[in-house]
Amino acid sequence: EILLTQSPGTLSLSPGERATLSCRASQSFTSSHLAWYQQKPGQAPRLLIYGASSRATGIPDRFSGSGSGTDFTLTISRLEPEDFAVYYCQQYGSSPYTFGQGARVEVK
Amino acid sequence: QVQLQESGPGLVKPSETLSLTCAVSTDSINSYYWSWIRQPPGKGLEWIGFISYSGRTNYNPSLKSRVTISLDTSKSQFSLRLSSVTAADTAVYYCAREVVGATIFDYWGQGTLVTVSS
Repeated sequence: EILLTQSPGTLSLSPGERATLSCRASQSFTSSHLAWYQQKPGQAPRLLIYGASSRATGIPDRFSGSGSGTDFTLTISRLEPEDFAVYYCQQYGSSPYTFGQGARVEVK
Repeated sequence: QVQLQESGPGLVKPSETLSLTCAVSTDSINSYYWSWIRQPPGKGLEWIGFISYSGRTNYNPSLKSRVTISLDTSKSQFSLRLSSVTAADTAVYYCAREVVGATIFDYWGQGTLVTVSS
């Protein structure tokens, strides 16, 4: 099973700032089969990024993903008030498909 | 727009079987793969397993001995059964649709909390 470790656990930022979230895998998996989700309290997760860097339908271009191998990054270029949430990475290169433990972006 | 809706008991006794159903709003149940994912209160996400439109299943090995996912295309729904539950199975259970060709999830139900307690 591939373990995904997200860092930092919590990121405290102000609206307009840049957020950078990391996701590191315990081993390599099928190339770039890495997704990112956003989850707000009481809601289901929302798919943001797949294939490490492709935005899902309707996702603003302030969200971007990068990385390969075992190291991946989600960047939010300028935080909007609605972006304060928990973010999860997920690998789908190797079953069982696993998620990171989550990273919270909170208002500073 | 696809809509998914979970239903089932919110309280299950230890050692019993948890049963949930996910109703899918369109006939796309015949064209996609469908997953169950759970989230213990205040914790992260765990993929439970999927079923394909043809009935092929793939389960998380950590739950495989206790999980059954089934499909009823005539009712546009799929179901989860998890046997011999314990308090560790208390979670919000989500059903979700997979993107074609990849086990990532573009449509989700709103989730249903299942508590395991006597």
